[in-house]
Amino acid sequence: SAVISQKPSRDICQRGTSLTIQCQVDSQVTMMFWYRQQPGQSLTLIATANQGSEATYESGFVIDKFPISRPNLTFSTLTVSNMSPEDSSIYLCSVGQGVPYEQYFGPGTRLTVT
Amino acid sequence: GENVEQHPSTLSVQEGDSAVIKCTYSDSASNYFPWYKQELGKRPQLIIDIRSNVGEKKDQRIAVTLNKTAKHFSLHITETQPEDSAVYFCAASNEKLTFGTGTRLTIIP
Repeated sequence: SAVISQKPSRDICQRGTSLTIQCQVDSQVTMMFWYRQQPGQSLTLIATANQGSEATYESGFVIDKFPISRPNLTFSTLTVSNMSPEDSSIYLCSVGQGVPYEQYFGPGTRLTVT
Repeated sequence: GENVEQHPSTLSVQEGDSAVIKCTYSDSASNYFPWYKQELGKRPQLIIDIRSNVGEKKDQRIAVTLNKTAKHFSLHITETQPEDSAVYFCAASNEKLTFGTGTRLTIIP
């Protein structure tokens, strides 16, 4: 499976600021996904990021709050904007391979908002 | 949209015994059912999956069964070992994954 890395691995941010999380894959993949996992909880899909098109957001998540870029087939970013303590969570990217898509996860970014 | 329910939320078994985790899904169009293992502080790891044209799949001590008519699928771990202790998530997919709420499995030595 693909090797997936994320930066930063963790960060502590002040409310009202923004953080951009990077996801890098060592091979070209069609589908990339962004998830949120709150402490002790399951994974919730934020959006699907396709190269060359706008990201598709799930109910409850909006582009103004979580803008996503997908400039090529190996890279994507997720920005968490105007952060509040409720945004404290682990953010994970995943890549989809095959049909239907087997998904493999990056190591995650642990975000704490104070 | 898809809804996945997972039971039990916690499970403790003696080392060497078997563990079974069950999930149900709502969308009959879902055609792919993976299981993930997540150790504390680590990323979810895909451990086994099954597609809708298959009823059962086995990989060493791990097996998954699927009943499409009843819309449920299960994870079976035999001869459990301490390293099996983790949180396990089921998921159902019809293009995108919907996860269950997770099962914290503890293996008692």
